Amino acid sequence: DIQMTQSPSSLSASVGDRVTITCRASQSINSYLNWYQQKPGKAPKLLVYAASSLQSGVPSRFSGSGSGTDFTLTISSLQPEDFATYYCQQSNSSPRTFGQGTKVEIK
Amino acid sequence: QVQLVQSGAEVKKPGASVKVSCKASGYTFSGYYMHWVRQAPGQGLEWMGWINPNSGGTIYTQKFQGRVTMTRDTSSSTAYMEVSGLTSDDTAVYYCAREGVVPTGTAYYYYGMDVWGQGTTVIVSS
Repeated sequence: DIQMTQSPSSLSASVGDRVTITCRASQSINSYLNWYQQKPGKAPKLLVYAASSLQSGVPSRFSGSGSGTDFTLTISSLQPEDFATYYCQQSNSSPRTFGQGTKVEIK
Repeated sequence: QVQLVQSGAEVKKPGASVKVSCKASGYTFSGYYMHWVRQAPGQGLEWMGWINPNSGGTIYTQKFQGRVTMTRDTSSSTAYMEVSGLTSDDTAVYYCAREGVVPTGTAYYYYGMDVWGQGTTVIVSS
């Protein structure tokens, strides 16, 4: 199975900050990488698919990059509604493993 | 609008089985794969498997092999996920989520899980 490792596991940031979350795969997954946002008690929401394609309706302050084994999700200017947990997930092969999550908290 | 509506919460005893439904509306059911993902209390997301509603073909993660069955009813645009031999470790919220998959020559292009059900809480307790 492909292991997905996110860093950091949590971070504290202020509104307006630039935030970067990293996801590393245990082997190459080409660009088969998705990012999700989850708020407490809610289903996850797709933000980015295929490493860098922004899902329709997602604000442009979110962006994804990377290929192979190393990927990043960047929030260019953190907004109050962005405080949540973020997950990466590989779609290169089954099982479709998720990262452990990164919790973004208010500083 | 496009939506997935799941069945209600369940409380089961250890050793029992549970079957969760996921009814799709607003799109062509057979045109999207359906994933099942679960989340134990306070934990991360765990992918369980998927079903191709068009063919009925399934892939399960090895952890759940022999204990999970995913099926679909195309006439009602509903996907089902059944887990048998429940233990307290199966206490979780179970989600269904669709994904668009397009063949591109010898490979596939995956569009991510873009629509999710609201989740079904399953509690396993004696």
